Amino acid sequence: KQEVTQIPAALSVPEGENLVLNCSFTDSAIYNLQWFRQDPGKGLTSLLLIQSSQREQTSGRLNASLDKSSGRSTLYIAASQPGDSATYLCAVTNFNKFYFGSGTKLNVKP
Amino acid sequence: DTEVTQTPKHLVMGMTNKKSLKCEQHMGHRAMYWYKQKAKKPPELMFVYSYEKLSINESVPSRFSPECPNSSLLNLHLHALQPEDSALYLCASSNPGLPYEQYFGPGTRLTVT
Repeated sequence: KQEVTQIPAALSVPEGENLVLNCSFTDSAIYNLQWFRQDPGKGLTSLLLIQSSQREQTSGRLNASLDKSSGRSTLYIAASQPGDSATYLCAVTNFNKFYFGSGTKLNVKP
Repeated sequence: DTEVTQTPKHLVMGMTNKKSLKCEQHMGHRAMYWYKQKAKKPPELMFVYSYEKLSINESVPSRFSPECPNSSLLNLHLHALQPEDSALYLCASSNPGLPYEQYFGPGTRLTVT
């Protein structure tokens, strides 16, 4: 069974810092990897999706990479802002089943 | 329109009540999902509908009964729930093929008393 791990579980950084969130998965036979943001008590907002044939995707200050062979993805956030504070979840897709990591709770201090 | 809507936002129900959660999307997606999320945990998949047919049931207790009346609408009927069923219930939709990009609704916060 696919297992998805996110490290660290929590991260606190000062505003303006660049940071990296990590996601690893055990089964490399994935269709895609999707990064989400979740604010407390809210739904998930899709940030980036990387298809299995792609190496990275960028949106604004966010850059996500995928190394399928090693079972790893990173989410890079440039010039962090207090509004980036949230829990970040990665999810991998095998056919139409989705496996989520436990998330990284990010706190960006003003 | 990339929105998935869910009603109600909050629901409090007793263990003997019957209630329903509703989810709607107008993106033309033909796959819809129900997830359950407990505090500080990732979402857990409950059901998947593909082309209005139930394709995945992750061994969910029968007190949860999904229904997909049409391609835009997904319901979750609740009956005789337990306090441990209190959670955030999330609906999502996607195309039932590559790239399987999911769009989530805001969730229904359910409390069972």
